[in-house]
Amino acid sequence: DIWMTQSPSSLSASVGDRVTITCRASQDIANYLNWYQQKPGKAPKLLIYAASSLQSGVPSRFSGSGSGTDFTLTISSLQPEDFATYCCQQSYTTPYTFGQGTKLEIK
Amino acid sequence: QLQLQESGPGLVKPSEALSLTCTVSGGSISSSSYYWGWIRQPPGKGLEWMGSIYYRGSAYYNPSLKSRVTISVDTSKNQFSLKLNSVTAADTAVYYCARRDGNYYYYMDVWGEGTTVTVSS
Repeated sequence: DIWMTQSPSSLSASVGDRVTITCRASQDIANYLNWYQQKPGKAPKLLIYAASSLQSGVPSRFSGSGSGTDFTLTISSLQPEDFATYCCQQSYTTPYTFGQGTKLEIK
Repeated sequence: QLQLQESGPGLVKPSEALSLTCTVSGGSISSSSYYWGWIRQPPGKGLEWMGSIYYRGSAYYNPSLKSRVTISVDTSKNQFSLKLNSVTAADTAVYYCARRDGNYYYYMDVWGEGTTVTVSS
């Protein structure tokens, strides 16, 4: 299996801050990397697919980059509704695997 | 707008089988562009992909679940289903169904709201 490691596991930030979350794959996954946002008691929501493509309807303050083994999710200016858990997922090969999640909290 | 809805028992006894159904509305499960899958999340833990199926019936599974899992599809009802045999407390989780892109990047773009299944006697 491909292991996905996210850092940090939790992060405190303020509204308006720029935030970056990192995801590392245990082997080369090209750009088969997706990012999801999950709020408590809710299903994950797709934000970014193919490492850098913004899903329809997702605000442009979200962006993704990277290829190979190292990827980042950036939120350019945090909004109150962005406080949630973010996780990455590789879709390069089955079994598809997810990172453990990064919890973004209000400072 | 496409919607997915999970249904099934919320409580299952150890050693028994867990069975869930996902009903697709607002679109056809028989689209050639998508696969349909199950993902679960134990309490306080991360997401685990369980398996996916194409409308024609070809399915593939997470080897971690060994031979316990079966996913099937019923195109006449626009539904697909999950069966997990010989459950233990470790199978207690929120179970999600989701649509998976079938073309190239295989992301999961539409999710059900999830259903909680507890394994307990």
